[in-house]
Amino acid sequence: ETGVTQTPRHLVMGMTNKKSLKCEQHLGHNAMYWYKQSAKKPLELMFVYSLEERVENNSVPSRFSPECPNSSHLFLHLHTLQPEDSALYLCASSQDLSDTGELFFGEGSRLTVL
Amino acid sequence: TQLLEQSPQFLSIQEGENLTVYCNSSSVFSSLQWYRQEPGEGPVLLVTVVTGGEVKKLKRLTFQFGDARKDSSLHITAAQPGDTGLYLCAGLLDSNYQLIWGAGTKLIIKP
Repeated sequence: ETGVTQTPRHLVMGMTNKKSLKCEQHLGHNAMYWYKQSAKKPLELMFVYSLEERVENNSVPSRFSPECPNSSHLFLHLHTLQPEDSALYLCASSQDLSDTGELFFGEGSRLTVL
Repeated sequence: TQLLEQSPQFLSIQEGENLTVYCNSSSVFSSLQWYRQEPGEGPVLLVTVVTGGEVKKLKRLTFQFGDARKDSSLHITAAQPGDTGLYLCAGLLDSNYQLIWGAGTKLIIKP
């Protein structure tokens, strides 16, 4: 496989459920990101990891919990979500944080919270 | 708050027509990127512009970075149904590695 792979592609969960989104990159990149994409809104940066260390947490509610066990894998753990959290969650990677910022995205995980 | 405004938000035109999408800000960017996102997919980088006044061409797509590096445009000549998608611009500020994103232009090209 090449590029950035996200699973699952679709997820429906109740507000009391606990689930996780997974992202894997095969590009040898050092930085990984979680973005939230809602219709007609700019992409919202949620978390940034560089060399497995979290460098950014943009005021994201604690019901979202990231995990980066190594430079190729990134998880987003979800618990007690709200309906307004329904969105497309995109994982991305870049060679480093300090480059031109060119991102390689996965296909996204479409989350619906009931 | 830095904003990157894209216009139009939505555009539906016939195959063969030309169109221009705009991306404007009051901030100065060190570089600006254009991405295209097709339904069910993640955004894919089309081009990065770095120098004020720079023009880059990608087949029928022409990208321009404003002289002051505050704005950019994407012009498509003789649009094809395969050009359909969500076009996103994103700017990088000198002081920060975080990209500032526009809300996107949804483009539909009808056969």
